Amino acid sequence: DIQMTQSPSSLSASVGDRVTITCRASQSISTYLNWYQQKSGKAPKVLIFGASTLQSGVPSRFSGSGSGTEFTLTISSLQPDDFATYFCQQSYNTPRTFGPGTKLEIK
Amino acid sequence: EVQLVQSGAEVRKPGQSLKISCQGSGYKFSNYWIDWVRQLPGQGLEWMGAIYPGDSDTRYSPSFEGQVTFAADESISTAYVQWRSLKDSDTAIYYCARRTSTVTTDKTHFDPWGQGTLVTVSS
Repeated sequence: DIQMTQSPSSLSASVGDRVTITCRASQSISTYLNWYQQKSGKAPKVLIFGASTLQSGVPSRFSGSGSGTEFTLTISSLQPDDFATYFCQQSYNTPRTFGPGTKLEIK
Repeated sequence: EVQLVQSGAEVRKPGQSLKISCQGSGYKFSNYWIDWVRQLPGQGLEWMGAIYPGDSDTRYSPSFEGQVTFAADESISTAYVQWRSLKDSDTAIYYCARRTSTVTTDKTHFDPWGQGTLVTVSS
């Protein structure tokens, strides 16, 4: 199975900050990497797929980059609605695996 | 609007059986994989496996093989996950999600997701 790790596991930031979350895969997954946002009590929703493609309707302050084994999710200017948990997920092979999540909290 | 609607919360005792559902609308249900994801209380996301409603082809994560069974009924655009004998450790939220890709790539992602079904197993 491909193991996914994320750093940091939690992060405190302020509105307007630029934030970067890193996801690493245990083997190369090309750009078969997705990012999801989950708010408390809600289902996850996709933000970025294929490592860098912004899902329709997602604000342009979100961006993704990377390939191979290292990926980043960047929020250019944090908004109050962005405080949530973020998960990466590989779609390179089965079983699909998720990172453990990064909880983004208000400073 | 493409949508997945899951059945409501369930409470069972250990050893009991359970079947929960996920109904799709707004698209041709038989043409897309439905994946199932577990979220233990306060924890991360675990992929359980998937079913292709068009031919009921299934894929199971090794962690869930033999523990759950996936099924689908194309005629009512509904997918199911079933347990024969629940354990306390099955207490979790279970999500279904449609496996989606664009026309130009084989890369897939999960969109949309159902709202989740909370399963509580307690004596």
